[in-house]
Amino acid sequence: GAGVSQSPRYKVAKRGQDVALRCDPISGHVSLFWYQQALGQGPEFLTYFQNEAQLDKSGLPSDRFFAERPEGSVSTLKIQRTQQEDSAVYLCASSLLAGGPGSGELFFGEGSRLTVL
Amino acid sequence: DAKTTQPPSMDCAEGRAANLPCNHSTISGNEYVYWYRQIHSQGPQYIIHGLKNNETNEMASLIITEDRKSSTLILPHATLRDTAVYYCIVRVLNSNSGYALNFGKGTSLLVTP
Repeated sequence: GAGVSQSPRYKVAKRGQDVALRCDPISGHVSLFWYQQALGQGPEFLTYFQNEAQLDKSGLPSDRFFAERPEGSVSTLKIQRTQQEDSAVYLCASSLLAGGPGSGELFFGEGSRLTVL
Repeated sequence: DAKTTQPPSMDCAEGRAANLPCNHSTISGNEYVYWYRQIHSQGPQYIIHGLKNNETNEMASLIITEDRKSSTLILPHATLRDTAVYYCIVRVLNSNSGYALNFGKGTSLLVTP
């Protein structure tokens, strides 16, 4: 597609359920990011992939959060045993390049809104 | 990465220029200034970025002071569709995090008829 695609757009989960959120980046984009955005806040970095390699996962809030990008394209963010504080919009972004200063334009999807009851 | 300070909200009349300020007094020589905006219920959208020279594109202009401690994003003729939260971000490339951008709370711009 022309842009970053995320699914599902909306997900309601009961506390304790596992969820999986999918991101289809722009074809050919090397870098892929996941962000978490709580209501009324700016997006917060979760993790970063360069192709299939997860180079930075310092923003993942707990070991219940897991992300993968096995073939260097589609990525999945998995949250195990969801808690109410996990309720947020999860944004995926991709960019064409992996290096070089000043060329860091990120293209964002519309996000997946997770509500944990 | 350097911290930025932005006013929480601003108003602008439709058709007038919107000037959004950002302070980044601790910016270092190799940090770039990026601006993104987020329209309600959408993902953030890239607007413009610069290092030390002023920049202009089809969306906006970025004016960076000579000491690089502050910058201003200018939307020359604001429209109602420019109503959004605008984020000013400074960062240097980190080899492990690529272009991970740290968004703050931004400035909520309301363009009024």
